[in-house]
Amino acid sequence: ILNVEQSPQSLHVQEGDSTNFTCSFPSSNFYALHWYRWETAKSPEALFVMTLNGDEKKKGRISATLNTKEGYSYLYIKGSQPEDSATYLCASVGAAGNKLTFGGGTRVLVKP
Amino acid sequence: GAVVSQHPSRVICKSGTSVKIECRSLDFQATTMFWYRQFPKKSLMLMATSNEGSKATYEQGVEKDKFLINHASLTLSTLTVTSAHPEDSSFYICSASLWGSLYNEQFFGPGTRLTVL
Repeated sequence: ILNVEQSPQSLHVQEGDSTNFTCSFPSSNFYALHWYRWETAKSPEALFVMTLNGDEKKKGRISATLNTKEGYSYLYIKGSQPEDSATYLCASVGAAGNKLTFGGGTRVLVKP
Repeated sequence: GAVVSQHPSRVICKSGTSVKIECRSLDFQATTMFWYRQFPKKSLMLMATSNEGSKATYEQGVEKDKFLINHASLTLSTLTVTSAHPEDSSFYICSASLWGSLYNEQFFGPGTRLTVL
């Protein structure tokens, strides 16, 4: 994988349901992976910075896992609420530099 | 903490004019600021990295004479789109990082929607 890719591009979730989506990134020269939550007309908000293979991080009902060997991260939302509606971005940091390379985002819409 | 503001949030201009976008770190000193551009339904693309008091480093394919970046203080960076044309219409967003950031944590502004008529 040469680029950072996120799937699906969008998903609709019923309120109360749990969901998850994927970020794929180059596994070579991996340094860190960032997850951001971006609501319309607001600034992207940092959720997690993940660095170690097998890392699991949690913030409220949102959690994320990291597999650096195969180059993917999952973000999970448990018991989705309408306020979870946002675009979730992941960004990879390569060891060679300090740039964030972003995926295209997963737009989540939680229906009441 | 770590709030970044961006102004204006939306601007419409005529072709051939120049537009300046400001990015400010409100409660911290940002040694490095970044400018991104987002095309419709695409990911954020890094345009340039600027360090306070030095010239910006532009990514490949970004015209430095078209997109002038100034980082005159530790709390302010500006992006000027010179002689804007309709193809420059896009969403521009800035971010800032703290000195000593281990993993390049960046704090983002809310972005600026530029429309060139």
